[in-house]
Amino acid sequence: GDSVTQMEGPVTLSEEAFLTINCTYTATGYPSLFWYVQYPGEGLQLLLKATKADDKGSNKGFEATYRKETTSFHLEKGSVQVSDSAVYFCALSDGGGYQKVTFGIGTKLQVIP
Amino acid sequence: DVKVTQSSRYLVKRTGEKVFLECVQDMDHENMFWYRQDPGLGLRLIYFSYDVKMKEKGDIPEGYSVSREKKERFSLILESASTNQTSMYLCASSRQGAYGYTFGSGTRLTVV
Repeated sequence: GDSVTQMEGPVTLSEEAFLTINCTYTATGYPSLFWYVQYPGEGLQLLLKATKADDKGSNKGFEATYRKETTSFHLEKGSVQVSDSAVYFCALSDGGGYQKVTFGIGTKLQVIP
Repeated sequence: DVKVTQSSRYLVKRTGEKVFLECVQDMDHENMFWYRQDPGLGLRLIYFSYDVKMKEKGDIPEGYSVSREKKERFSLILESASTNQTSMYLCASSRQGAYGYTFGSGTRLTVV
C-alpha cells in the first residue's frame, strides 16, 4: 500500500537557520502530495500541496517540489522563525475519488531564539 | 471562515462506556474522515464517509463505528470504550479533488 517516510525528530534549529525536512513516498498511480502543520494544541492545517511531477508548492516562505524520479517531496524554508515551531506532516492522496490521505509520522521542529 | 468543529476538546470516560464524538463542517464537503493520532504512530484512519449514510472502513476500524445522517455531521462511536482507545481524535473534511483536508481542533479522549 501507499506509505510516507519522514524523520520524527525533533529537529532543533536556531532562528534564521535554513530548514529541510525530508519526505519520501511509495505509491501506485499518480498521487498528490501535501505538507500539513500542527501547532501545539491544535488540529492540522494544510501548508502547501503539489498535484503532479515537477510542481512546486509554496506558502508562508515554505516550499516543496514534487520529484517523481526520486519519489520525494522535501520541505524547505530559507529562514525559520520561533513561530514556525510545530509538527510537520508529509502526506499523499491516492488520487481516487475519496481522496484518502496517507500521512507520515510527523517531524517536530523546535526553533530557538 | 470555514470550519470543522469537534464538539469537545477534552473528554474523560470510563471503561465500558459508549462514547460519541461529534464533528460538524460548514463547507458542504462530500468527504469526511476520522483519524486518531498517537505518539510515534502518526495519524491512522479509522473510518471515512463520501456521502450521507455511506461509510468505509479505514485502517483501524475495530472497536469503532460511525454515523452520517446529514451531510454536515459525522459521528464517531466507541461502542464500549477501552483504555487502549485513549488518544487524540481528529475529524477532517474535504471536497472531491486534490484540495487537501480541513481539520477540526481535535478531541483528546482519556478512558480510565
